[in-house]
Amino acid sequence: EDQVTQSPEALRLQEGESSSLNCSYTVSGLRGLFWYRQDPGKGPEFLFTLYSAGEEKEKERLKATLTKKESFLHITAPKPEDSATYLCAVLSYNTDKLIFGTGTRLQVFP
Amino acid sequence: DTAVSQTPKYLVTQMGNDKSIKCEQNLGHDTMYWYKQDSKKFLKIMFSYNNKELIINETVPNRFSPKSPDKAHLNLHINSLELGDSAVYFCASSVRDRRYEQYFGPGTRLTVT
Repeated sequence: EDQVTQSPEALRLQEGESSSLNCSYTVSGLRGLFWYRQDPGKGPEFLFTLYSAGEEKEKERLKATLTKKESFLHITAPKPEDSATYLCAVLSYNTDKLIFGTGTRLQVFP
Repeated sequence: DTAVSQTPKYLVTQMGNDKSIKCEQNLGHDTMYWYKQDSKKFLKIMFSYNNKELIINETVPNRFSPKSPDKAHLNLHINSLELGDSAVYFCASSVRDRRYEQYFGPGTRLTVT
């Protein structure tokens, strides 16, 4: 069964303190791995798509990377506005649906 | 504004009642979804429609019935509500060929008492 595990559950950072979020996955035939951002009281917002091991995508202070077993979301010099829950999801060739992890709740303090 | 909208935002009701949640998207997408997010923030797909045709139907109690009058609308009707139905329900839409890039609505927080 396809599975996605994210760690840590919660992360508190000082502004400017870089860190990484982890997404480990088990999927039979990875079609793609996706990162979403969810602000409190809102729906998830699409961030990145990664298709194959070694691929990297960047957007402002965020960089997503992918290996055959996991993905990392690196946050460089975060700002308070980066505070949100970051969700990882996978899409496999066997199913036609996104499987989400439970997310990492990031809080960045000034 | 172009977006995915849901009504109502909050829904508080008693066990045994029947309720509906409405969803509309004006992004021109052809695929729409319903997700349930539980208290642990786990987001799980319930249904997916493509051009009014049901394409994903997860193991969801048959008290839940989606209805898509056209490709811009996907409503969710829930019969005989139970305490365990309390959650946030999200509607989303996408283009079928890019179904991972989903645009989510703001969610409907359903509380069953």
